[in-house]
Amino acid sequence: GAVVSQHPSWVICKSGTSVKIECRSLDFQATTMFWYRQFPKQSLMLMATSNEGSKATYEQGVEKDKFLINHASLTLSTLTVTSAHPEDSSFYICSAPRGQGTLNEQFFGPGTRLTVL
Amino acid sequence: GQQVMQIPQYQHVQEGEDFTTYCNSSTTLSNIQWYKQRPGGHPVFLIQLVKSGEVKKQKRLTFQFGEAKKNSSLHITATQTTDVGTYFCAGSGGGFKTIFGAGTRLFVKA
Repeated sequence: GAVVSQHPSWVICKSGTSVKIECRSLDFQATTMFWYRQFPKQSLMLMATSNEGSKATYEQGVEKDKFLINHASLTLSTLTVTSAHPEDSSFYICSAPRGQGTLNEQFFGPGTRLTVL
Repeated sequence: GQQVMQIPQYQHVQEGEDFTTYCNSSTTLSNIQWYKQRPGGHPVFLIQLVKSGEVKKQKRLTFQFGEAKKNSSLHITATQTTDVGTYFCAGSGGGFKTIFGAGTRLFVKA
């Protein structure tokens, strides 16, 4: 199956610093990628849709100036958590759909666990 | 906006018992997907349902899509300890954007 990688797999940072998370589709091109956040024992909450070559589309309640998304190429999207605070600590997961016909299968990255001290 | 509700939130079963999780959307869906997430892991795609009234089987797992394309269910027959995890439904109203249900966490006691 298709592979999506994420880097780093975990990061611990001090409050006020910025953290960049990379999401790569390794064996297919993805013009669209999605960023989710998952708090412990909760569901995946869609944060934003990353669009290659254009601005990301953010879900209601997600601060676009705090969560900067850049989809620089057909295989790479980055999420930068700016001025991170402890409440931003979460599991961040990206996904990339590889639409084939009517199949809407999404391939998820392994996730990045962010801990802000 | 589109909402996807899923019940139950969690379920404890004895190994060998059956398990069902239900998903309901506030709007008609183009398709619905099911994912499984093991503890500490990331969601893994199980299946996608597209047609009204569709039923698909994968070994002990049976997936159904409602006639109105607003609800779906996943049924596991004779659960095993390897079935442990959280099962998510995820609905799409069209395109790739997908909204996840809250998930049902399955605990299986040997």
